[in-house]
Amino acid sequence: QSVLTQPPSVSAAPGQKVTISCSGSSSNIGNNYVSWYQQLPGTAPKLLIYENNKRPSGIPDRFSGSKSGTSATLGITGLQTGDEADYYCGTWDSSLSANWVFGGGTKLTVL
Amino acid sequence: EVQLLESGGGLVQPGGSLRLSCAASGFTFSSYAMSWVRQAPGKGLEWVSAISGSGGSTYYADSVKGRFTISRDNSKNTLYLQMNSLRAEDTAVYYCAKSSAVVVAATDAHFDYWGQGTLVTVSS
Repeated sequence: QSVLTQPPSVSAAPGQKVTISCSGSSSNIGNNYVSWYQQLPGTAPKLLIYENNKRPSGIPDRFSGSKSGTSATLGITGLQTGDEADYYCGTWDSSLSANWVFGGGTKLTVL
Repeated sequence: EVQLLESGGGLVQPGGSLRLSCAASGFTFSSYAMSWVRQAPGKGLEWVSAISGSGGSTYYADSVKGRFTISRDNSKNTLYLQMNSLRAEDTAVYYCAKSSAVVVAATDAHFDYWGQGTLVTVSS
């Protein structure tokens, strides 16, 4: 049971748009920045979005992030087959446990 | 170019010990916090432990507290994870990840670089 809640899977056709939600609480998303990670099959995770909505160098602007209250959203437009991957949200949790937390991951299928 | 290279994984019996290493290059190692993140077969990411740039502050997930110890040698640009009293549920690929901040509990921190991972299998 992950502290951050993501849908297990989403799907859309090539060229379409998809959003992935990430729900948390005031101790994590509500008071800290959210980052998103893409994990292509058989590879290590890769930073996709940081500080809620910023893209590292080399990440296309098809990928976007937003945050409102205790939820965050990853958006991907112009879907490509190469976008098929698992996507994870993550943030620091400032509760007594004081630890990093990830969502359970969302499998994106490009039909 | 930032590189993180994990080593030390392998097959170990339940109750046994293992020490993972992560050799870092391409950045000023002591200026950044580091973490270990694991992924059980077919499962999602689970943060395991983190250490500040100086090594003075450490944090652990409840699932490993008291059994795992994170440390770093800034003179060797190397991160370590000493794993004792290993259990079957510790079986996973273990990634080292570089933080964007020097302290662990930074509200704007994120993991900007990841290693390729090392597999730890706990089985008799």
